[in-house]
Amino acid sequence: NAGVTQTPKFQVLKTGQSMTLQCAQDMNHEYMSWYRQDPGMGLRLIHYSVGAGITDQGEVPNGYNVSRSTTEDFPLRLLSAAPSQTSVYFCASSYSAPQGVSSNQPQHFGDGTRLSIL
Amino acid sequence: SQKIEQNSEALNIQEGKTATLTCNYTNYSPAYLQWYRQDPGRGPVFLLLIRENEKEKRKERLKVTFDTTLKQSLFHITASQPADSATYLCALVLNQAGTALIFGKGTTLSVSS
Repeated sequence: NAGVTQTPKFQVLKTGQSMTLQCAQDMNHEYMSWYRQDPGMGLRLIHYSVGAGITDQGEVPNGYNVSRSTTEDFPLRLLSAAPSQTSVYFCASSYSAPQGVSSNQPQHFGDGTRLSIL
Repeated sequence: SQKIEQNSEALNIQEGKTATLTCNYTNYSPAYLQWYRQDPGRGPVFLLLIRENEKEKRKERLKVTFDTTLKQSLFHITASQPADSATYLCALVLNQAGTALIFGKGTTLSVSS
């Protein structure tokens, strides 16, 4: 049971380049999300998905795209990298309660992708 | 405006003492509150959660309280050890499905022997 796996662990890009950060989970979790973590800012939600084929924007979605074609995978795409996107990116997954059911499950995080944009 | 604040960026204590970390929030009505631990270079790891109608939760040396009137949660580590040194994050859970989380910036705890 690998949990949440993120690749790559490190990446350096030039301004304007595009790339995809990969995230996979093997826990059959419906909910997946992407955060960025910057010094002094805490974790901020970029995009999230409540199931295959369903995605939505979080607090800081500009400059990023996501898709969810399978339950297991939730890639994050940087369309045209900018220095302001230099950050540590974390993917997380959790169980999501059915509509109308109150529940609370912990988020399971990957170990992050450290991205530098020059 | 909506805010979630952890009272200090850094907390230094001696081994064996109780560490108390604070999480305050304004203009939210969270359904739950969670605490995570984050080690350098790693992702956050879930520790405890507490529901809005619970006052206190315990797990081994950890204790969490949740006061919805004061809009505050306290996180205690008793008999602290150097291995407890890490950054601790609180997160408000804003929906019943448990998926809408707002994180605090974290408090870095250092336990010296």
